[in-house]
Amino acid sequence: GAGVSQSPSNKVTEKGKDVELRCDPISGHTALYWYRQSLGQGLEFLIYFQGNSAPDKSGLPSDRFSAERTGGSVSTLTIQRTQQEDSAVYLCASSPGTSGSYTQYFGPGTRLTVL
Amino acid sequence: AQSVTQLDSHVSVSEGTPVLLRCNYSSSYSPSLFWYVQHPNKGLQLLLKYTSAATLVKGINGFEAEFKKSETSFHLTKPSAHMSDAAEYFCVVSDPVGNEKLTFGTGTRLTIIP
Repeated sequence: GAGVSQSPSNKVTEKGKDVELRCDPISGHTALYWYRQSLGQGLEFLIYFQGNSAPDKSGLPSDRFSAERTGGSVSTLTIQRTQQEDSAVYLCASSPGTSGSYTQYFGPGTRLTVL
Repeated sequence: AQSVTQLDSHVSVSEGTPVLLRCNYSSSYSPSLFWYVQHPNKGLQLLLKYTSAATLVKGINGFEAEFKKSETSFHLTKPSAHMSDAAEYFCVVSDPVGNEKLTFGTGTRLTIIP
């Protein structure tokens, strides 16, 4: 079946602009995660959604970052007033549920470049 | 808190020789541990995972890893390297009380010498 998809694959923006990154998880997966991969910080957790529960936002680096998940499926990560340090690859992952036995399946990522 | 330490940032081996990528973990709980691989300009792919069943875990493409609680290690091995194994490898631990969010090691870049 189809894997996790993300769009756009690449995004170049100017400092100060807002950007939206989209994630389509695997159909039927209730858990969705956002991670960020950057040169300075490696791979780090950003935010987590599970069903209709309140999201775990503990990894968001600042209040310029927000995310939503509509209808328990598609998720959008929004970065307001982008800064150069936001340049990174943003990865989305989904899993069938929340258990260590479940595998998180990753999308190809969105490469964000802030000029 | 969970953490993993990958002891080598870069490993080079000749094609056909064994591969060893080292990982040590720290966890307050019985951990779930993973190895993911990332080929250039590709997404992360799961190689194998340990979730408290057999301590020797076999994964895809001939890779395996052994969970050693006494040494807090989860090293990745392969008997014979292939050119297609050249990639970045991440040792990962999940947080069982933190919604299973993943904590990644800093990665080991594996280079295969022809």
